[in-house]
Amino acid sequence: GESVGLHLPTLSVQEGDNSIINCAYSNSASDYFIWYKQESGKGPQFIIDIRSNMDKRQGQRVTVLLNKTVKHLSLQIAATQPGDSAVYFCAENGLSGSARQLTFGSGTQLTVLP
Amino acid sequence: NAGVTQTPKFQVLKTGQSMTLQCAQDMNHEYMSWYRQDPGMGLRLIHYSVGAGITDQGEVPNGYNVSRSTTEDFPLRLLSAAPSQTSVYFCASSYDTRSGNTIYFGEGSWLTVV
Repeated sequence: GESVGLHLPTLSVQEGDNSIINCAYSNSASDYFIWYKQESGKGPQFIIDIRSNMDKRQGQRVTVLLNKTVKHLSLQIAATQPGDSAVYFCAENGLSGSARQLTFGSGTQLTVLP
Repeated sequence: NAGVTQTPKFQVLKTGQSMTLQCAQDMNHEYMSWYRQDPGMGLRLIHYSVGAGITDQGEVPNGYNVSRSTTEDFPLRLLSAAPSQTSVYFCASSYDTRSGNTIYFGEGSWLTVV
C-alpha cells in the first residue's frame, strides 16, 4: 500500500533562518500533495499544495518542491518566525473509493529558537 | 460561520462504554470524514461520507460506526470503547476533495479510555 513518510521527526532552527522539511512518498502514481501545519491542541491547517505536473510552487514565505524521480517533496519556510513552531505534515491526496482521501505522513516538529 | 464543530472536546470513558463524538459543519459541504491521531503520528482515516445517506470505511474503521442522516452532521460512534481507542479525533469537511485548501478540520476531541 501507499505510504507517506518524513525523514526527520524534529527540526530546530534559529529565528530568521530558513527551514526545510522533507517528505518521501512511495506511490509513484500519487499526483497531488498537501502540506499541513498543526499547532498544539488544534486541527491541521492547509499551507500549500502541489500537483504532479509541477516541480515547484510558491506561497507567502513558503515553497514546496516536488521531485517525482526520487518521490520526494520538501517544504521550505523563509525567514522562520516563532509563530511557525508547529508540527508539519505532508499528505498525499489520492483517489480511493468514492472520493479523494488524505494519507498523512508522521509529521515533523519544527521549533524556532530565539 | 462556525466552520467544523466537534463535541465534546475532552472525554474519559471506561472500557466497554459507548459514546458518540459529534461533528457538525455549517458550510453545506457534501464530504465529511473522521480521523484519529495517535502520539507522534499523522492522521488516519476512520470513516468518510460523500453525502447524506452515504458512508464508507477508511483505513481504520474497526470499532467505530458512522451515519449521515443530514448534510450538516456526521457523528462517530464508539460501540464498546477499548484502551486502544485512546486518541485525538478530528472531523473534517470539504466541498471539493480535489482541492486541499477546501478541506476544513475541526479542533479535535481528546478521548481517553481507561
